[in-house]
Amino acid sequence: IAGITQAPTSQILAAGRRMTLRCTQDMRHNAMYWYRQDLGLGLRLIHYSNTAGTTGKGEVPDGYSVSRANTDDFPLTLASAVPSQTSVYFCASSDWSPQNTGELFFGEGSRLTVL
Amino acid sequence: GQNIDQPTEMTATEGAIVQINCTYQTSGFNGLFWYQQHAGEAPTFLSYNVLDGLEEKGRFSSFLSRSKGYSYLLLKELQMKDSASYLCAVTDSNYQLIWGAGTKLIIKP
Repeated sequence: IAGITQAPTSQILAAGRRMTLRCTQDMRHNAMYWYRQDLGLGLRLIHYSNTAGTTGKGEVPDGYSVSRANTDDFPLTLASAVPSQTSVYFCASSDWSPQNTGELFFGEGSRLTVL
Repeated sequence: GQNIDQPTEMTATEGAIVQINCTYQTSGFNGLFWYQQHAGEAPTFLSYNVLDGLEEKGRFSSFLSRSKGYSYLLLKELQMKDSASYLCAVTDSNYQLIWGAGTKLIIKP
């Protein structure tokens, strides 16, 4: 069982370029999330989706967009990358319900450097 | 605002016991999670508390006091592989997770 797969694992990107981080899960979880993790800060939620076809903004959504066309895939797009978007990005999924967030399962992360 | 506080770093000796504290101030409370994250890896689930009291799982235990906005993670019989960051996260009234910055635990022989 693969769980959650992220790609690429690492990328160096010129400022101003467009970039999509891919995330696929095979656990049939209804909810998926994108976080960024920076040194000294907790995981910060960028965008989330509680079910296919719906998305929501998290704590730090500016400069990022997501789509959830189906249950398994949840890509994160940086329309025009800036150096402050240099970070480690984690995709996660859970079996979410209105009464319970559920345990989060994380992908291995994508390390993005914007120059 | 919402806030979760954990110590930034702790050091302990192999074979000993260590307690990592977490205090929180959130808009509502619907559960508290502890995750372990080894350097360069993804976080992995350790424990979940929604009611007051102690939850034990092998060498790891987690305690919650909702009235005090306080939790701790207790690690017994420390092993070198326990060197990692430990993340505390609280589910708020909107069932969204609020994360602490994590506690880096260093185990010395």
